[in-house]
Amino acid sequence: GAGVSQSPSNKVTEKGKDVELRCDPISGHTALYWYRQRLGQGLEFLIYFQGNSAPDKSGLPSDRFSAERTGESVSTLTIQRTQQEDSAVYLCASSYGQGEGYTFGSGTRLTVV
Amino acid sequence: SQQGEEDPQALSIQEGENATMNCSYKTSINNLQWYRQNSGRGLVHLILIRSNEREKHSGRLRVTLDTSKKSSSLLITASRAADTASYFCAQSVGGGNKLTFGTGTQLKVEL
Repeated sequence: GAGVSQSPSNKVTEKGKDVELRCDPISGHTALYWYRQRLGQGLEFLIYFQGNSAPDKSGLPSDRFSAERTGESVSTLTIQRTQQEDSAVYLCASSYGQGEGYTFGSGTRLTVV
Repeated sequence: SQQGEEDPQALSIQEGENATMNCSYKTSINNLQWYRQNSGRGLVHLILIRSNEREKHSGRLRVTLDTSKKSSSLLITASRAADTASYFCAQSVGGGNKLTFGTGTQLKVEL
């Protein structure tokens, strides 16, 4: 597609429920990234996929968080047993890879009540 | 922990003035990038400067990089109200293309 597409754009969920966030990167971009941004703060790295290599999961905050990517296409970020501190905007980005800038999606605003 | 920090945290200027934002970082980098964020949603890539470059221009944007001081600056000339946004620097460190973002500068350009 023309840009990075994320869905849903907004999600309100009850504490303890599981949520699944989706990212559809730009076609041909081999790298895909997930970041989290709490209100008024910077971006916090979560996970990075590069082609068929093992993903860099070093930023996932707990085992409640997981992400998958099929080949060089769609990725899903799953948060199990959501907590109020998970409330944030979750941003996905993609790029051609090493030494290239990112193209970001518009994010999913997650609110846990 | 954050790799980089922007300074100032907030900046308010009049339209037509120049805006300068600074970024400091901690470890050696492959490249440094600047992004703009409107309304707390998706970021837009502005400019990338590689570790062997010292200065780069793109339209009204000028970026400098001083690797000896581990710092970078973003200059926006002849600012416009539409430049009002948060600006983030990000560093590519080590292998791969993972970026570490700073905390951002909130720029407000008033008419």
